[in-house]
Amino acid sequence: GEDVEQSLFLSVREGDSSVINCTYTDSSSTYLYWYKQEPGAGLQLLTYIFSNMDMKQDQRLTVLLNKKDKHLSLRIADTQTGDSAIYFCAEIFQTGANNLFFGTGTRLTVIP
Amino acid sequence: NAGVTQTPKFRVLKTGQSMTLLCAQDMNHEYMYWYRQDPGMGLRLIHYSVGEGTTAKGEVPDGYNVSRLKKQNFLLGLESAAPSQTSVYFCASRLIRSNEQFFGPGTRLTVL
Repeated sequence: GEDVEQSLFLSVREGDSSVINCTYTDSSSTYLYWYKQEPGAGLQLLTYIFSNMDMKQDQRLTVLLNKKDKHLSLRIADTQTGDSAIYFCAEIFQTGANNLFFGTGTRLTVIP
Repeated sequence: NAGVTQTPKFRVLKTGQSMTLLCAQDMNHEYMYWYRQDPGMGLRLIHYSVGEGTTAKGEVPDGYNVSRLKKQNFLLGLESAAPSQTSVYFCASRLIRSNEQFFGPGTRLTVL
């Protein structure tokens, strides 16, 4: 199977920027995703990036993709306490069903 | 529009007991998925379905069975529960032409 790696924990102060990193293995992935999981809830899609892009910005979120190093990052500007959650990166495994492989998840804690 | 719902929310089983988890979606999605989430391991795909009457194995299918008799429902069965199946189980669904998966709220299962 695929191996998608993330750091398990990240703590930041409210108002600072958060950067969550991910490394993936399938160089043929067409899309890479960031999902957010709030406590006691399922996952929600935050944003995604197509593999021919280097960067995508969506309000406070910036996704950077380095295909050469197979490195994906999610930057959250002006981090708020409501951003505290687990963040998962995911890549598509190139089969007919286009299933997702998820990273281990990074638990972001925002300190007031 | 309820989205993806899961029944039950919590369950405690004894080793060897059987049970069925129900996932329902009202978005007319073709694809449905069952994942398990374990600490430090992210989400792992158990089984999935690309349409009514079809199922396929994912990354960790052993000890589980599934059925998709109706398009809107995807059932996950444990015939003889084991403590290693203690986990949080998530169902997800998506349209055939989209890569965005919509997740249910999860079922927390404990096997004693």
